[in-house]
Amino acid sequence: DTAVSQTPKYLVTQMGNDKSIKCEQNLGHDTMYWYKQDSKKFLKIMFSYNNKELIINETVPNRFSPKSPDKAHLNLHINSLELGDSAVYFCASSQDFGTGNEKLFFGSGTQLSVL
Amino acid sequence: GQNIDQPTEMTATEGAIVQINCTYQTSGFNGLFWYQQHAGEAPTFLSYNVLDGLEEKGRFSSFLSRSKGYSYLLLKELQMKDSASYLCAVMDSNYQLIWGAGTKLIIKP
Repeated sequence: DTAVSQTPKYLVTQMGNDKSIKCEQNLGHDTMYWYKQDSKKFLKIMFSYNNKELIINETVPNRFSPKSPDKAHLNLHINSLELGDSAVYFCASSQDFGTGNEKLFFGSGTQLSVL
Repeated sequence: GQNIDQPTEMTATEGAIVQINCTYQTSGFNGLFWYQQHAGEAPTFLSYNVLDGLEEKGRFSSFLSRSKGYSYLLLKELQMKDSASYLCAVMDSNYQLIWGAGTKLIIKP
């Protein structure tokens, strides 16, 4: 049983296209996240939802739009893809938010390559 | 600004001990995490420290000194499977995680 699953694992697409990455967690967690890991391996938070409410919205282009239909799902839609969007995108979840000990469970990542 | 510093790469020998250091400057502090990330895989949780001192968990231990803004991860009896990147992350006063770039650990036979 995969705790945090995201699809697809690999995504190769042309500049200007629109794509989505899906994420689901079966841990019963309240909080979900999207992270971007660039070629230098820095993990950067993009968005976080707690019980379907947006709680973290870092400075990312508005071409990126998260959607949380319920607390077990957090999808990421990207419009007008650019070369600089190429990276690994990780979905993650934690039991809750704001307690300090937010142990993160990560999905296996989506390698996005924009050509 | 907020930043986390850790060495880019370290090399150690199978069976030996290695210490990976992490220093941080953040707006507030609500705990420090260590994660392990094998190449091409997702990060996985290793340890959490919020009080000063040493937390031991099998072959891995993590130390924290809040006054010095310093932590280390100690790996004993190194195995080849320990070859991975080790990420240090600090939770700031807004409960946001600030991540280091990770230390790539290479284990040689």
